[in-house]
Amino acid sequence: TQLLEQSPQFLSIQEGENLTVYCNSSSVFSSLQWYRQEPGEGPVLLVTVVTGGEVKKLKRLTFQFGDARKDSSLHITAAQPGDTGLYLCAGYSTSNSNSGYALNFGKGTSLLVTP
Amino acid sequence: DAGITQSPRHKVTETGTPVTLRCHQTENHRYMYWYRQDPGHGLRLIHYSYGVKDTDKGEVSDGYSVSRSKTEDFLLTLESATSSQTSVYFCAISSGQGANQPQHFGDGTRLSIL
Repeated sequence: TQLLEQSPQFLSIQEGENLTVYCNSSSVFSSLQWYRQEPGEGPVLLVTVVTGGEVKKLKRLTFQFGDARKDSSLHITAAQPGDTGLYLCAGYSTSNSNSGYALNFGKGTSLLVTP
Repeated sequence: DAGITQSPRHKVTETGTPVTLRCHQTENHRYMYWYRQDPGHGLRLIHYSYGVKDTDKGEVSDGYSVSRSKTEDFLLTLESATSSQTSVYFCAISSGQGANQPQHFGDGTRLSIL
């Protein structure tokens, strides 16, 4: 079961354009994390949003957590070729085990920014 | 960068052979994870460990086993590899578990089963 749905799946834009990617769920999450993954490497954490309605900025990237804590968005202003990569959202849900939690990932948005 | 080393980085093997992937960390983190990443499926949890000799199953654990005999090493074993296990495997670590704990990933092992 895919708890987190990301859209769009693919996005190809030119340098300087703005874009927004979405992460949606029917479940409530106590927090959501955003990662970026470049080819041949593992995902790297960008930000964690915790409070409903929270907005966090990381240079040209703006992350928002929905008021109901079921969705999140990532907005990039004036995209650059260096922003190219796979953007993943992830959230914790309670696993079937009594031992801890499992981090659930969306399938990701693959972004290509061309000069 | 978090000190996580996966080995080997690439492996090609035949169906039916045993395969062991190694994850080594230098961060002394308690929690370690194995994921596989496939087109159309994203990252899926195979197994995780919450301490030495303490492991639990993830979403796609069938056909895989793990062992953790010391804090720094987490091994993933395919007892008899199948073509459906061709994938990119990632190890991750975290210092804690719960809502706000980030995971730090290795650079992956690309495994091809012919």
